[in-house]
Amino acid sequence: DAKTTQPNSMESNEEEPVHLPCNHSTISGTDYIHWYRQLPSQGPEYVIHGLTSNVNNRMASLAIAEDRKSSTLILHRATLRDAAVYYCIRGVMNRDDKIIFGKGTRLHILP
Amino acid sequence: EAGVAQSPRYKIIEKRQSVAFWCNPISGHATLYWYQQILGQGPKLLIQFQNNGVVDDSQLPKDRFSAERLKGVDSTLKIQPAKLEDSAVYLCASVRQGTSGTYEQYFGPGTRLTVT
Repeated sequence: DAKTTQPNSMESNEEEPVHLPCNHSTISGTDYIHWYRQLPSQGPEYVIHGLTSNVNNRMASLAIAEDRKSSTLILHRATLRDAAVYYCIRGVMNRDDKIIFGKGTRLHILP
Repeated sequence: EAGVAQSPRYKIIEKRQSVAFWCNPISGHATLYWYQQILGQGPKLLIQFQNNGVVDDSQLPKDRFSAERLKGVDSTLKIQPAKLEDSAVYLCASVRQGTSGTYEQYFGPGTRLTVT
C-alpha cells in the first residue's frame, strides 16, 4: 500500500509550469514526503523531499500543505525531457525504511 | 561518482529456463535493494540487503527466486525456473544518506526480462 494518491496522468505544454498533486491524508508527523521520477527505459531517480516547509532544489520545488495531508511537486518550466512517471512517496527517513511505490503520475509534455 | 551498474540490460528466455541478473551498487553504499517492475506499475520491492546480510525478503518468491550479496558489494538475483509472469524489469538500487539526514535511493537502469 503506497498510502499516497496521485492522478494517473497529466499533460502540460513545454516551457510552462507543471503542478503535480499528491494526497497523503494518513501521513504521520514524522513521515517525510519524497518524490522520485522515472524517465522512459530508466530506473527511478530522486527528485526532492520535504517534511513541513516548502523546499526548492535545482530540479523542482515541493509545496507542502499546512496540514501535511497533501503536497505538490512543481516543475517551473517543463521541457520535453521532463516527460516521465512521477512517484510521490511518504516515509523513508531511516536507512532501512522501504520505498513503497504506487503507480505514480505519467506526465506528458506537449511541444 | 559512478552510478549503479546492472547487467545484462535485456534478456529473453523460455519458460522453465533459469536466468541471473547482476548488480554493482555505488561504492560505499551498504544497503542494496532488488525491485521487480511489471509494465504499467511502480517498482515492487523483492529483497533488501545490508552489507552481505538479508534485512527483508518477505516479498521474494523463494520457491523460484534467490539472491545473494556474498562480499557485501555486488549482488546477483536468480530466477529458476522462470514463468511467463516473471516478465518485468528488474531494478537494483543502493542507498545514500542525504544532507538532511534522510536516505535517498539510487537506481540502476534495470534488466528487462522477457519470458516466452
